[in-house]
Amino acid sequence: GEDVEQSLFLSVREGDSSVINCTYTDSSSTYLYWYKQEPGAGLQLLTYIFSNMDMKQDQRLTVLLNKKDKHLSLRIADTQTGDSAIYFCAESRETGGFKTIFGAGTRLFVKA
Amino acid sequence: SQTIHQWPATLVQPVGSPLSLECTVEGTSNPNLYWYRQAAGRGLQLLFYSVGIGQISSEVPQNLSASRPQDRQFILSSKKLLLSDSGFYLCAWSPPLDRVWQGYTFGSGTRLTVV
Repeated sequence: GEDVEQSLFLSVREGDSSVINCTYTDSSSTYLYWYKQEPGAGLQLLTYIFSNMDMKQDQRLTVLLNKKDKHLSLRIADTQTGDSAIYFCAESRETGGFKTIFGAGTRLFVKA
Repeated sequence: SQTIHQWPATLVQPVGSPLSLECTVEGTSNPNLYWYRQAAGRGLQLLFYSVGIGQISSEVPQNLSASRPQDRQFILSSKKLLLSDSGFYLCAWSPPLDRVWQGYTFGSGTRLTVV
């Protein structure tokens, strides 16, 4: 299967950490990505992780990859109101071409 | 640097009218190009992708078509719009396989309302 699954909503208080989870089905995935979409805009690549890595940290963002369980997470430390957006998980695989599968997106609400 | 332009930003069209959305990429050559549709509050649906001039792959049979007349130009069209064509349309490009890690770069989107 080609599914990438995410929970649809997450609500956190400003200053708390947010953890957005994602599961994927294809074990041949090469890269996994997190994109952010603000209202009325296109998607913006936040970060990516190569499939042979377990963790990647970039300022307030931490990506964890569990290949055994096919589980990817994005942690946002000290969540701010400006982090309110839809976050998409995506996986890509090199199978004679280049195909990226996107999840349905998780809408993050940050309460002041 | 690479940029992607998509227009128009918003469009209101009557049922049965034609459609043409245009997307151009600058600063790169031979990009992979994509058209996605995003229904309200929902995820992305891949409509078409292209790996080269004149090469179009359709992911979902529908009322829409795509063309790539030039290397960095991707056009989404319809001869007769349906109400169900309403949505947020996104164009995107990606680099060749040796730069897969760069992911996709999306345009700012076109909000289409069919009335």
